[in-house]
Amino acid sequence: DQQVKQNSPSLSVQEGRISILNCDYTNSMFDYFLWYKKYPAEGPTFLISISSIKDKNEDGRFTVFLNKSAKHLSLHIVPSQPGDSAVYFCAASASQSGGGTSYGKLTFGQGTILTVHP
Amino acid sequence: DADVTQTPRNRITKTGKRIMLECSQTKGHDRMYWYRQDPGLGLRLIYYSFDVKDINKGEISDGYSVSRQAQAKFSLSLESAIPNQTALYFCATSDTGRGIDTQYFGPGTRLTVL
Repeated sequence: DQQVKQNSPSLSVQEGRISILNCDYTNSMFDYFLWYKKYPAEGPTFLISISSIKDKNEDGRFTVFLNKSAKHLSLHIVPSQPGDSAVYFCAASASQSGGGTSYGKLTFGQGTILTVHP
Repeated sequence: DADVTQTPRNRITKTGKRIMLECSQTKGHDRMYWYRQDPGLGLRLIYYSFDVKDINKGEISDGYSVSRQAQAKFSLSLESAIPNQTALYFCATSDTGRGIDTQYFGPGTRLTVL
């Protein structure tokens, strides 16, 4: 049972354009969401996060949007740069103790390979 | 120096061998985790530990065991390696003090079981 899904295995965009990566979840106990970026031969690195009390969080070129009713989040990168080419994982957590078996753990999506062409 | 280190970085072994992957952290975090990454499946949780005396199974713990030797050290063992355990393995840490679950990952171990 895949509780966090990234339905696009890959995305290709032109440098300077917007990249939009999408993520859907099914567990209503999730209340904290994160995006990680992973380069080859390295571990995932934290990029940006959002709590369920917000619908948007922005950090420089990166913005995460959360639509709780649709159980959907997206990561926008504007403008995209070739150095953004990596695998992007979304992850979700039930940060409150009432989160049952999801408490204190991250559940990851399958990842989306982003390629930004010069 | 890296905050989360993993040894070895690469390992090739044979079916049936016992393998230990080690993780150390200097971040002072309470929580530590082991994941494996397979193509198309993302990162899946194998085991996690919220403190030295707390060990919990993740979603794919069969065939694996762990030991939390100290706050800073968390090792993963494959008692009898099999080819479908060929994968990238990542250790991660997080800090309960912040009240959120941002996890910080090591560089990974590429394990090949022949």
